[in-house]
Amino acid sequence: AQSVTQPDIHITVSEGASLELRCNYSYGATPYLFWYVQSPGQGLQLLLKYFSGDTLVQGIKGFEAEFKRSQSSFNLRKPSVHWSDAAEYFCAVGFSNDYKLSFGAGTTVTVRA
Amino acid sequence: GAGVSQTPSNKVTEKGKYVELRCDPISGHTALYWYRQSLGQGPEFLIYFQGTGAADDSGLPNDRFFAVRPEGSVSTLKIQRTERGDSAVYLCASSLTGGDDPEGGDGYTFGSGTRLTVV
Repeated sequence: AQSVTQPDIHITVSEGASLELRCNYSYGATPYLFWYVQSPGQGLQLLLKYFSGDTLVQGIKGFEAEFKRSQSSFNLRKPSVHWSDAAEYFCAVGFSNDYKLSFGAGTTVTVRA
Repeated sequence: GAGVSQTPSNKVTEKGKYVELRCDPISGHTALYWYRQSLGQGPEFLIYFQGTGAADDSGLPNDRFFAVRPEGSVSTLKIQRTERGDSAVYLCASSLTGGDDPEGGDGYTFGSGTRLTVV
């Protein structure tokens, strides 16, 4: 079945440490890939997206993600987290002939001092 | 407006009642989407409008759910005979062009959502 999987429900990281959030997809074709962040009481904010080309994508707030076709993965990374990065992160996929996004279940990131 | 506005931000209603949730998209955005986010889950697609028409309502769970966008801007999601299982955050998003964008989406802009609680 087609799906988007975020294996980690919750991650705790120390401020200043690096962060990696995993995302795997299961689709016949390579989808368009997105990462969104949702802070409490806020809407979803787009961090970055991959359509084609360079497989390492830079986003806002110092985030980057790498598309690996062989692993059907699109993992999100940040070298040094800030307390303000505590939020929920969603991976999503879309297709060029479709407008719907399919989201993973999300990963909650807690940042400890 | 500068962003996607959703009202109310919170709604508590009794089981069996009728509710309306409003979405005011970014001015000029022709595409409008409704998603539902249940606790602990990612958002799930409900319905997509291109202009005034519902181009795809395949995500609506049943006929108690209905949405309109009569003038191609503001949209209202309507839920009849609410049930406790309808409790969720209802998210609205808009984009400039929508489904015919060759890059598969110029990126949605999401509103902050309406948290619906059915008691």
